[in-house]
Amino acid sequence: DIVMTQSPDSLAVSLGERATINCRASQSVLHSSNNRNYLGWYQQKAGQPPKLLIYWASTRESGVPDRFSGSGSGTDFTLTINSLQAEDVAVYYCQQYYDTPQTFGQGTKVEVK
Amino acid sequence: QVQLQESGPGLVKPSETLSLTCTVSGGSINTYYWSWIRQPPGKGLEWIGYISYTGSTKYNPSLKSRVSISVDTSKNQFSLQLSSVTAADTAFYYCARQVGSQWMPYYSDCWGQGTLVTVSS
Repeated sequence: DIVMTQSPDSLAVSLGERATINCRASQSVLHSSNNRNYLGWYQQKAGQPPKLLIYWASTRESGVPDRFSGSGSGTDFTLTINSLQAEDVAVYYCQQYYDTPQTFGQGTKVEVK
Repeated sequence: QVQLQESGPGLVKPSETLSLTCTVSGGSINTYYWSWIRQPPGKGLEWIGYISYTGSTKYNPSLKSRVSISVDTSKNQFSLQLSSVTAADTAFYYCARQVGSQWMPYYSDCWGQGTLVTVSS
């Protein structure tokens, strides 16, 4: 299985500041046939199902605010939340879909400082 | 707007079979991949497996011997069965739609609200 490791486990950021979450895969999730990174990011608010934010490592899902951005390639990826809003308090997960079983990171909890 | 809704018993006895159904509304089940994902309370996400619109399935090897996913296109539903459950199977179970190619599923763009299944005598 591809192991996904996120860092940090939690972080507290002041409103309006930037939050950065890292995700590392135990092997590359970059597919050579199409040069795409098979990596997604999800946001899960308390009591709700996960919501897709980013796919192909950097493509924002329709309706997702542009303060959310994804970057990285191969094994190292980053989710950045620019200008944190109160409604961004949640747990964020990365997921690889390069291979089955699809696997998730352990989650990063984002809180307001 | 596609919506997914899980249904099934919230309490299952140890050694019995957990059965859940996901009803898809607002779109056809005859496209995409359809998957189950679970989350123990307060913990992370575990992908259980999927069924494709062609009926092909793939399961997480950690559960493979106990899990089965099927589809009923006439009802626009797909189902999960997990046999020989233990307390470790207590979790929120989510159904989800996965975008994919003809060969494999990619990301999950639509999720049900989830249902808590507790394994206890």
